[in-house]
Amino acid sequence: DAGITQSPRHKVTETGTPVTLRCHQTENHRYMYWYRQDPGHGLRLIHYSYGVKDTDKGEVSDGYSVSRSKTEDFLLTLESATSSQTSVYFCAISEVRGDTEAFFGQGTRLTVV
Amino acid sequence: GENVEQHPSTLSVQEGDSAVIKCTYSDSASNYFPWYKQELGKRPQLIIDIRSNVGEKKDQRIAVTLNKTAKHFSLHITETQPEDSAVYFCAALTSGNTPLVFGKGTRLSVIA
Repeated sequence: DAGITQSPRHKVTETGTPVTLRCHQTENHRYMYWYRQDPGHGLRLIHYSYGVKDTDKGEVSDGYSVSRSKTEDFLLTLESATSSQTSVYFCAISEVRGDTEAFFGQGTRLTVV
Repeated sequence: GENVEQHPSTLSVQEGDSAVIKCTYSDSASNYFPWYKQELGKRPQLIIDIRSNVGEKKDQRIAVTLNKTAKHFSLHITETQPEDSAVYFCAALTSGNTPLVFGKGTRLSVIA
C-alpha cells in the first residue's frame, strides 16, 4: 500500500468546536485531496493541493479550510464543526494530476454532536 | 464543470452471473476514466482505468468499455464471486487543473 496515513481515525466532537484532520504521505506525491463520503453522495471533493502552499476548492468547500506547508502533510480544518459535517473523510494522493492512480488513506470517521 | 452519473445505485446478482455498471459524463474533454472498488469499512482502491484513446480494456474478470460519442463508460464483471461484493465508483477527469469527479457509487451484492 502507498504510504498515506490519516489521523485521527475516529473523532467525536461538539458542535461549534474547531477540528483538524491530518493527512501524511511518504510517497513525495505532488497532489493531495480531501474527500468526504456520505451515503447516497459518493465521494465529494472538499479541497485539493497541487503543491506546497498551492490549494484550491472542491465542490463542497464551505466550512472547511486546508493548509499544506510541507509536501508530506495536508491538513483539513473545520473552523466550527456542525452536525452536517458528520461524515467519513478520506485523503488521497496522486503523483500527477488525476490521470494516474489515486491512493486513498484509511479514512477518518468524524461525528459532530 | 464535469458531472458523472452512475447507475444503478444497487445491484444484486447470483454468483457466477455477470454484473454491469454504467456511467455517463458531461464534459467531452474528459480523457481518463478510472473505477474504484471499496469494500466495507475499507478505503477505495483502483481496479481498472481507461483512457480516451482506447475503447475497451480487460483485466481477468473485469473489463471497461468507453463510448466517447455517447459519453458513457461501463464496468463489466464476469463470473462474479462473493468477494466482488463492494461499492464501485466510476470517475472522470477533465481538462484544466480539476481533479477526478466521482459518481455516487453502486453497491454490488453477489449472492452465493
